[in-house]
Amino acid sequence: AQKVTQAQTEISVVEKEDVTLDCVYETRDTTYYLFWYKQPPSGELVFLIRRNSFDEQNEISGRYSWNFQKSTSSFNFTITASQVVDSAVYFCALTGGNTGNQFYFGTGTSLTVIP
Amino acid sequence: EPEVTQTPSHQVTQMGQEVILRCVPISNHLYFYWYRQILGQKVEFLVSFYNNEISEKSEIFDDQFSVERPDGSNFTLKIRSTKLEDSAMYFCASRGTGFGGYTFGSGTRLTVV
Repeated sequence: AQKVTQAQTEISVVEKEDVTLDCVYETRDTTYYLFWYKQPPSGELVFLIRRNSFDEQNEISGRYSWNFQKSTSSFNFTITASQVVDSAVYFCALTGGNTGNQFYFGTGTSLTVIP
Repeated sequence: EPEVTQTPSHQVTQMGQEVILRCVPISNHLYFYWYRQILGQKVEFLVSFYNNEISEKSEIFDDQFSVERPDGSNFTLKIRSTKLEDSAMYFCASRGTGFGGYTFGSGTRLTVV
């Protein structure tokens, strides 16, 4: 079965702290893609990153970094030196190359950065 | 950068009325999707559409829902007789032959009163 678990429902941090959002996935596919999206209060889904299952290199983009580990089926997202503008709901998502082409979303983590 | 455009951004409708949500996918994309997000919950798959027919649909996508690509550019979701529980954000998405270009629209917030 395809499933994404984001165990952290809500996280609050003080500005400038680092924060890691956890994502654990399950899939039967050998080829799959993992995504992170940010959903601000306005409601749109803002694309942050896509990773395919063959690329386990970690990625850094400014204050954002992602740690993909197939051995633990995890794709965690770290924000360094958090800012108030990072406050949003963050969704991890999975789609597979073989078992259909829909996205499976996690339940999201609501991040609040306190000034 | 190419965008998926959804209109309207917010629609209010009375219970029992028909509503059509409109989407303009990216022009060279071949696969089209609708997703739903009830307030405070996760985004859920409704339906996928390819080659002018439904390729997959979820349990949520019952007989009240239908999709159509009436011309070469629009992709619509119709809800025949809206219920209060249809109130949600509806996202359209499209992609080309690979998953790299999977793009979501900014959503239509549907409120059924």
